[in-house]
Amino acid sequence: AQKVTQAQTEISVVEKEDVTLDCVYETRDTTYYLFWYKQPPSGELVFLIRRNSFDEQNEISGRYSWNFQKSTSSFNFTITASQVVDSAVYFCALRDAGNMLTFGGGTRLMVKP
Amino acid sequence: EAQVTQNPRYLITVTGKKLTVTCSQNMNHEYMSWYRQDPGLGLRQIYYSMNVEVTDKGDVPEGYKVSRKEKRNFPLILESPSPNQTSLYFCASSPNRDTEAFFGQGTRLTVV
Repeated sequence: AQKVTQAQTEISVVEKEDVTLDCVYETRDTTYYLFWYKQPPSGELVFLIRRNSFDEQNEISGRYSWNFQKSTSSFNFTITASQVVDSAVYFCALRDAGNMLTFGGGTRLMVKP
Repeated sequence: EAQVTQNPRYLITVTGKKLTVTCSQNMNHEYMSWYRQDPGLGLRQIYYSMNVEVTDKGDVPEGYKVSRKEKRNFPLILESPSPNQTSLYFCASSPNRDTEAFFGQGTRLTVV
């Protein structure tokens, strides 16, 4: 069965610090998709990135970057120069050959001014 | 505007009183699903639908029903709600199962 683990339940940083959110996944399939979503205090879920299992290229989008490593089954998310607006709960999710989407427990990031 | 609309946003009900949470999307998406969010557990999938009249159980289907009679609508039915179904519920849709999901704004349900 597929599983997603976000070991960090809460992280607190000071503005402008870099922060990495960890995501480790388990699946028996060779084809799968990984996602990151953001849930700000207002409660909605915002899509950030999708990565398929055949594309191990890291991605950068502004202050956000993602490091996908199949060898360690990890898909970590780094925010560079964090800002107060980055405060949110971040979820990592996995979809493999089955039809379900499995989420990790989430990491609450608090960025203090 | 492309969106997933859930109603109601907030609901307080009593144990055993049947309720329905509606979900509608205007993007012609084939894949729709329901999740519940509980502290420390993330989002867990309740049911999903690959297309009209095609539904299947997710991780936590007990106590819930769904139907998909039209492509745009995917209601969640609680025939006899219990307090352990108090949670934050999200409906989502996507063009297919492998693309990113668009989420509704959530329904906070309290069963007393």
